[in-house]
Amino acid sequence: DQQVKQNSPSLSVQEGRISILNCDYTNSMFDYFLWYKKYPAEGPTFLISISSIKDKNEDGRFTVFLNKSAKHLSLHIVPSQPGDSAVYFCAANSGYALNFGKGTSLLVTP
Amino acid sequence: EPEVTQTPSHQVTQMGQEVILRCVPISNHLYFYWYRQILGQKVEFLVSFYNNEISEKSEIFDDQFSVERPDGSNFTLKIRSTKLEDSAMYFCASSETGTGMANTGELFFGEGSRLTVL
Repeated sequence: DQQVKQNSPSLSVQEGRISILNCDYTNSMFDYFLWYKKYPAEGPTFLISISSIKDKNEDGRFTVFLNKSAKHLSLHIVPSQPGDSAVYFCAANSGYALNFGKGTSLLVTP
Repeated sequence: EPEVTQTPSHQVTQMGQEVILRCVPISNHLYFYWYRQILGQKVEFLVSFYNNEISEKSEIFDDQFSVERPDGSNFTLKIRSTKLEDSAMYFCASSETGTGMANTGELFFGEGSRLTVL
């Protein structure tokens, strides 16, 4: 039962360029969507969130876009930096727990 | 900065043995969670805990699993009789407001406890 899907297991981007990470979901009742970042040997850390009533939320270099009709959200990182290299998880708040996607491994090359 | 701490960082056990994973949530947080990630798979919800009782649990959280808050600071996950398929990274998380409707659902995660069942 995959309610949150991240179809790209990996992404490689050059430093300074835009990174776009995608996420699809199936449950239209999700209230909030979150992006988490995970480095090896560490737990996931919260990055940015968006309410289901919004279509965009921006925080510095990170912007999340939500397209409710398509049940799709994306995380944009501009400009990408080598320190952004990590696994990015999309998560949706179902009202009792966070449902995570499988993650996308981002590599930002100098 | 306050953080969630977990011990042990890695535990190796024989199939059938009992395992207890420990967590110290952030001190002013009221909602506690266990998640796990089997290698190569997604992070999966196991259980949430609030006001000294389980709030929600997934179908993964069967009778072999239990959680406890034995004192004011620790939050533990016990696996009674481990199976090979219990091998995973187990993450504890805590939250000030929980994941209820109208809450963002931001959780603070620990670094994880890697469980290897042989």
